[in-house]
Amino acid sequence: QKEVEQNSGPLSVPEGAIASLNCTYSDRGSQSFFWYRQYSGKSPELIMSIYSNGDKEDGRFTAQLNKASQYVSLLIRDSQPSDSATYLCAVNPTGTASKLTFGTGTRLQVTL
Amino acid sequence: GAGVSQSPSNKVTEKGKDVELRCDPISGHTALYWYRQSLGQGLEFLIYFQGNSAPDKSGLPSDRFSAERTGGSVSTLTIQRTQQEDSAVYLCASSLNWNEQFFGPGTRLTVL
Repeated sequence: QKEVEQNSGPLSVPEGAIASLNCTYSDRGSQSFFWYRQYSGKSPELIMSIYSNGDKEDGRFTAQLNKASQYVSLLIRDSQPSDSATYLCAVNPTGTASKLTFGTGTRLQVTL
Repeated sequence: GAGVSQSPSNKVTEKGKDVELRCDPISGHTALYWYRQSLGQGLEFLIYFQGNSAPDKSGLPSDRFSAERTGGSVSTLTIQRTQQEDSAVYLCASSLNWNEQFFGPGTRLTVL
């Protein structure tokens, strides 16, 4: 079982819709969770961090964490073509200091 | 302020040669990380420096890989006797606390 799993996609949503990106992780003791956006040919850009169960909102982005289900998601409201990118879920597993384990990413396509 | 910088942006080398990749973290960030990303793959942790503590080298794939961090700032990743499977984008990240990591633009290494 992979430590951090994401559907590779592509996830295609029309402009203005809500994009829902999901991630599951295997280490139940993980405490820190991050979403990065990576445009093709570019490096990852941190867009959200979440540490507690529940929702965290930042502009059009909402991160949701459910530690009991070992599940973290990212919602993008009012999706724009500029949101088209690969979204990487990253988890800080137990006992790994601040090393992050990354999923392989979900490619999002926002269509006009 | 200035973000993480890396040099060179691209490096083409012949199999068997040594290469050095440089990372300059965000000023004041005490933690520095090296990852690599192969085509279509997720990010793979290589090594982590935190302040003056001994580095966490648990992700280095072989003894051909080494890294140092001088004066708690700039880091150099050295790959000796490069192999074709070393071809990847090498990413450096830094963080102020133990969580949010910010990535540099990466060095694309091609081993012929």
